[in-house]
Amino acid sequence: DGGITQSPKYLFRKEGQNVTLSCEQNLNHDAMYWYRQDPGQGLRLIYYSQIVNDFQKGDIAEGYSVSREKKESFPLTVTSAQKNPTAFYLCASSATASGANVLTFGAGSRLTVL
Amino acid sequence: ILNVEQSPQSLHVQEGDSTNFTCSFPSSNFYALHWYRWETAKSPEALFVMTLNGDEKKKGRISATLNTKEGYSYLYIKGSQPEDSATYLCASLVGGYQKVTFGTGTKLQVIP
Repeated sequence: DGGITQSPKYLFRKEGQNVTLSCEQNLNHDAMYWYRQDPGQGLRLIYYSQIVNDFQKGDIAEGYSVSREKKESFPLTVTSAQKNPTAFYLCASSATASGANVLTFGAGSRLTVL
Repeated sequence: ILNVEQSPQSLHVQEGDSTNFTCSFPSSNFYALHWYRWETAKSPEALFVMTLNGDEKKKGRISATLNTKEGYSYLYIKGSQPEDSATYLCASLVGGYQKVTFGTGTKLQVIP
């Protein structure tokens, strides 16, 4: 079955460490996204990519980095520069760079900084 | 309106009641509006994609309307059931770009 796989599901990190969250899709979707959710808040866009080797900053990109070397993969690195990284992270994809195509979401990764 | 806003933030209704929520979004450079349902311990799932002013979409007991000129969309649930309990998210796309901006959601609890 096609879908989006995020790993790990839970991750603990010490302050000052970088950590990379994996997102892989086998839907042959062009566009991919990373969102962050904090308690009581909606989904905030971190980065998005419409095509391989291209990506754009979202609303809260500071302290994060991404790469899009392959169509099916869009890993997110949470760097030590991210001041409050503890959150729930969701990866999503959509078929094309068109608003008519809805997002398909992964199951999420919960990051806790100790 | 600069951001996507949803109201109310949370809602408790009795089983069988009908209910509705509001999504307000920037009306300039409107491209599309999405509605999603997010159940606890699951991933958000798409309900509707709406692109034209006056659009009305329906899926079972759930329907949605769209007013792009004034920048709002309503989601209606007729005869709420406990399985409708979830957070309902709307998301706006502007200018033809694939930047999808979500509102904070409306959390619905249907009491049996």
